[in-house]
Amino acid sequence: EPEVTQTPSHQVTQMGQEVILRCVPISNHLYFYWYRQILGQKVEFLVSFYNNEISEKSEIFDDQFSVERPDGSNFTLKIRSTKLEDSAMYFCASSTQGQAYEQYFGPGTRLTVT
Amino acid sequence: SQKIEQNSEALNIQEGKTATLTCNYTNYSPAYLQWYRQDPGRGPVFLLLIRENEKEKRKERLKVTFDTTLKQSLFHITASQPADSATYLCALVPPGYSTLTFGKGTMLLVSP
Repeated sequence: EPEVTQTPSHQVTQMGQEVILRCVPISNHLYFYWYRQILGQKVEFLVSFYNNEISEKSEIFDDQFSVERPDGSNFTLKIRSTKLEDSAMYFCASSTQGQAYEQYFGPGTRLTVT
Repeated sequence: SQKIEQNSEALNIQEGKTATLTCNYTNYSPAYLQWYRQDPGRGPVFLLLIRENEKEKRKERLKVTFDTTLKQSLFHITASQPADSATYLCALVPPGYSTLTFGKGTMLLVSP
């Protein structure tokens, strides 16, 4: 069964460094998303991407964040200058239709900022 | 803004019983409401979606109801098994928006 994959599974970085989190969505899906979950908190929407552009973004997704689909398979989230409060689990998700429909989540990347 | 409330306390039940989890929301009624399962350290897994014009949806041992008057959805697992132990998340897209909002989830513990 097709699944969303994410790399790395765990990333440790120092405050102020740039990180890139990678995702490979399910191949025939058209909508891509990033969410984050701080330990013990709820899953929070960051950004949605459709037709090679951002379609929605939350207040969390400020100028320090960017997304890219560099080729036909990868979908990346870049954090330019990490802060301690960026430490969280980051989930990539994809769907055939928009956010109101079922989404398939990846296993997540645990980002630890020290 | 839309607020979603799920029982913060864990629900402990015995194997074979029916588990019922509650999702309440404020403000606008969503066009769709979704339920996901999340295991520790893993991504959410989609379970069921119910539309505002549907009262009930079933899938195997799972049943979801949607009461737009009460602004509430109930999620039932019948004949529960220890493997059903997980956190269950309610999520919705408010009308006029296109972003999915999650509740904090309710942890279900099924003991043998």
